[in-house]
Amino acid sequence: EVQLVESGGGLVQPGGSLRLSCAASGFTLSRYSMIWVRQPPGKGLEWVSYIFTSSSTTYYADSVKGRFTISRDNAKNSLYLQMNSLREEDTAVYYCAEYSGFSHFWGQGTLVTVSS
Amino acid sequence: EIVLTQSPGTLSLSPGEGATLSCRASQSVSSSYLAWYQQKPGQAPRLLIYGASSRATGIPDRFSGSGSGTDFTLTISRLEPEDFAVYYCQQYGRLPPLTFGGGTKVEIK
Repeated sequence: EVQLVESGGGLVQPGGSLRLSCAASGFTLSRYSMIWVRQPPGKGLEWVSYIFTSSSTTYYADSVKGRFTISRDNAKNSLYLQMNSLREEDTAVYYCAEYSGFSHFWGQGTLVTVSS
Repeated sequence: EIVLTQSPGTLSLSPGEGATLSCRASQSVSSSYLAWYQQKPGQAPRLLIYGASSRATGIPDRFSGSGSGTDFTLTISRLEPEDFAVYYCQQYGRLPPLTFGGGTKVEIK
């Protein structure tokens, strides 16, 4: 059974940092491009970042460019999102997902709250 | 950037009725690279349709997708109680950015 499990969310003050992790099981992460998608409370889905299988290509939404960094460790079957200079508007549930253009497999999400 | 506009924002229907959800793109979506997702409260999105009209594995045939270019439709032929949820369209013809529509909530009338 494919499972993607996010961790690392929590409460952080504006300007702070967090590192999210996404651990894959029943699923060979190295075969897939991966994305992070977030969802502010009560709002819709927003794509955050993309990474190719080999990490050779990454993309970011304009809203996070220069502040967030996506990475992966295929040997550990894990995906990461380093989030720096966090703002209140970054408050959201963050999902990792496999990316084949569309996304069959999603994690259950981890909540990031940016507040003083 | 391709902007996706979903309508209506909310659809109030009864179980057994049919539902028609619209997703309009600001530019043509190449090769019909459009997907539909269902999301229930507290859950991750679930892939329903990809390539505008192909059902994902395990999705009942009461769900169907159609359209091309800038106009796409998700049709639910007969609403079951478990179908009341929020539905999102997503284009993947041009990345970055990957874009989602704002969602349509299908609620019980």
